[in-house]
Amino acid sequence: GQNIDQPTEMTATEGAIVQINCTYQTSGFNGLFWYQQHAGEAPTFLSYNVLDGLEEKGRFSSFLSRSKGYSYLLLKELQMKDSASYLCAVRDSRALGKLSFGAGTTVTVRA
Amino acid sequence: GAVVSQHPSWVICKSGTSVKIECRSLDFQATTMFWYRQFPKQSLMLMATSNEGSKATYEQGVEKDKFLINHASLTLSTLTVTSAHPEDSSFYICSARSAVAKNIQYFGAGTRLSVL
Repeated sequence: GQNIDQPTEMTATEGAIVQINCTYQTSGFNGLFWYQQHAGEAPTFLSYNVLDGLEEKGRFSSFLSRSKGYSYLLLKELQMKDSASYLCAVRDSRALGKLSFGAGTTVTVRA
Repeated sequence: GAVVSQHPSWVICKSGTSVKIECRSLDFQATTMFWYRQFPKQSLMLMATSNEGSKATYEQGVEKDKFLINHASLTLSTLTVTSAHPEDSSFYICSARSAVAKNIQYFGAGTRLSVL
């Protein structure tokens, strides 16, 4: 199985940058995903990393280091609408490709 | 991204009745779909993995006779909560994996089930 750890909560001000870290342990790593979930809604896909390095997509970037079992999601130029829960998920090729989710990091953006 | 449609979005039912939730991949074929359950302020808990044309694979502790899953086509999977009880009240979310788009999982909008 996987142990996926991410901080429970983070707070930042509008326009700032926030970095959400995620560490994991898995026996058959086959990709790491970040999802955004607003309260009462389903998760929406943000990013996918399977190789080491940084993937940039607009204001959001995601980094992966497979040797360290570590990823982060970087949110730049924070907006109020970015207040949400951010879920780190790891896919395990030895578990039928299922995703295992971390508990999520609740980001609160303040004016 | 790919679109996954889930219906209904909200259902209230009496204890003892059955509720069916549909999950459709609208613009891609999904050989594999997943059903999750989420309690307030908690992360998603995988209930079962559904493969088109075969029996679903249930996670440990999930009653397969209570949560019936059918994946009859490449674009449709259904979850039926049989003889629902108040403790089954939760947020149920389906997800479909796109073989074309890097096997990324896309989620439906979720179904909030309230059993009275």
